[in-house]
Amino acid sequence: NAGVTQTPKFRILKIGQSMTLQCAQDMNHNYMYWYRQDPGMGLKLIYYSVGAGITDKGEVPNGYNVSRSTTEDFPLRLELAAPSQTSVYFCASSYTSGSTTGELFFGEGSRLTVL
Amino acid sequence: ELKVEQNPLFLSMQEGKNYTIYCNYSTTSDRLYWYRQDPGKSLESLFVLLSNGAVKQEGRLMASLDTKARLSTLHITAAVHDLSATYFCAGSNYGGSQGNLIFGKGTKLSVKP
Repeated sequence: NAGVTQTPKFRILKIGQSMTLQCAQDMNHNYMYWYRQDPGMGLKLIYYSVGAGITDKGEVPNGYNVSRSTTEDFPLRLELAAPSQTSVYFCASSYTSGSTTGELFFGEGSRLTVL
Repeated sequence: ELKVEQNPLFLSMQEGKNYTIYCNYSTTSDRLYWYRQDPGKSLESLFVLLSNGAVKQEGRLMASLDTKARLSTLHITAAVHDLSATYFCAGSNYGGSQGNLIFGKGTKLSVKP
């Protein structure tokens, strides 16, 4: 069972570079999320998607973009990387409706450093 | 807007002792979650609490939910070293909006012999 798969696990970027963090899930979940985790700050939602073709901003969307062309994939694009984007990024998915628990399943995380 | 606060943020316990982590939330949350995170690892789901008075137990951990007080607790019984981790609670805005979870800052638990 693959669950939620994120790549890469580690990446170092120079200021101003761009990159895409990949996320794929094989559980046929409708919702997908990108969170970032900074030390001592819990998790903050960057973007989320309620289904293919539908995305919305979370708490901290600036400097990021997402797309959801399929149910399985939810890539996160960083444009013009800045040191403030140094963080650990978690992708998650859930099957969320009024009658489900909406429990999130997380990927292993992607540790990004911007120098 | 839903806000979630945990306390304490750091907790050092001796093995064999009991303790409780508290999770307060600011507005109606139609479900409450507890997650565990080991250092450098991902988050693992522990409990999902769906209704007032819900209580769930797994091993030495027991979670409860009081929706009237907007409070969830995670009780640790006879702590052992393997429970050392960071514990997060999260509330959901699902009923009011789009289903995203709002996380507390986490409680870093250290269990010492």
